[in-house]
Amino acid sequence: DTAVSQTPKYLVTQMGNDKSIKCEQNLGHDTMYWYKQDSKKFLKIMFSYNNKELIINETVPNRFSPKSPDKAHLNLHINSLELGDSAVYFCASSQGWRGDYGYTFGSGTRLTVV
Amino acid sequence: ILNVEQSPQSLHVQEGDSTNFTCSFPSSNFYALHWYRWETAKSPEALFVMTLNGDEKKKGRISATLNTKEGYSYLYIKGSQPEDSATYLCAFLDNFNKFYFGSGTKLNVKP
Repeated sequence: DTAVSQTPKYLVTQMGNDKSIKCEQNLGHDTMYWYKQDSKKFLKIMFSYNNKELIINETVPNRFSPKSPDKAHLNLHINSLELGDSAVYFCASSQGWRGDYGYTFGSGTRLTVV
Repeated sequence: ILNVEQSPQSLHVQEGDSTNFTCSFPSSNFYALHWYRWETAKSPEALFVMTLNGDEKKKGRISATLNTKEGYSYLYIKGSQPEDSATYLCAFLDNFNKFYFGSGTKLNVKP
């Protein structure tokens, strides 16, 4: 049973489209995150939700909107996709909003905008 | 934006060699330092979460030390095996709940 699962694994779409990436965790964690892996392979945090409340909202374009319907799900919706949005997006979860026991990551979604 | 630097960027060792690599981070506003192991085509897996200066943690043949005053952590692998081949990431969490990852050290262990 996958602990943190993301769908889809690969997403190829045209510029200007709107797309969503879904994330679900079955660990009972109370905090979930979205990370973007940039071209230099750094993981950079985008958003964090604790008990469905937004606690971290880094400087990302407004076209990115996270939605957390419950503690086990954190989806990422992207409007008007641009070429520069192409990257690998990772979902993660932790128990506690400081990640004191470490993060558990999903396997990533490779988004390609053409 | 703070810098978390890892060195070396990549490392090739023979099976049985012991190896170590470094994570450097800001020495101010420290909250925690994480180490992750990231195998190709998989997701990062937490190895250690370290919070206290002088902390030493061990999991099997892998161990880590932490020096928060000077801003570095070492990860050691004793008797490397081919299955240790992966990218090892460190991440620094500050007192403002900002989390910064290094770009990783890619380890290749040759049989």
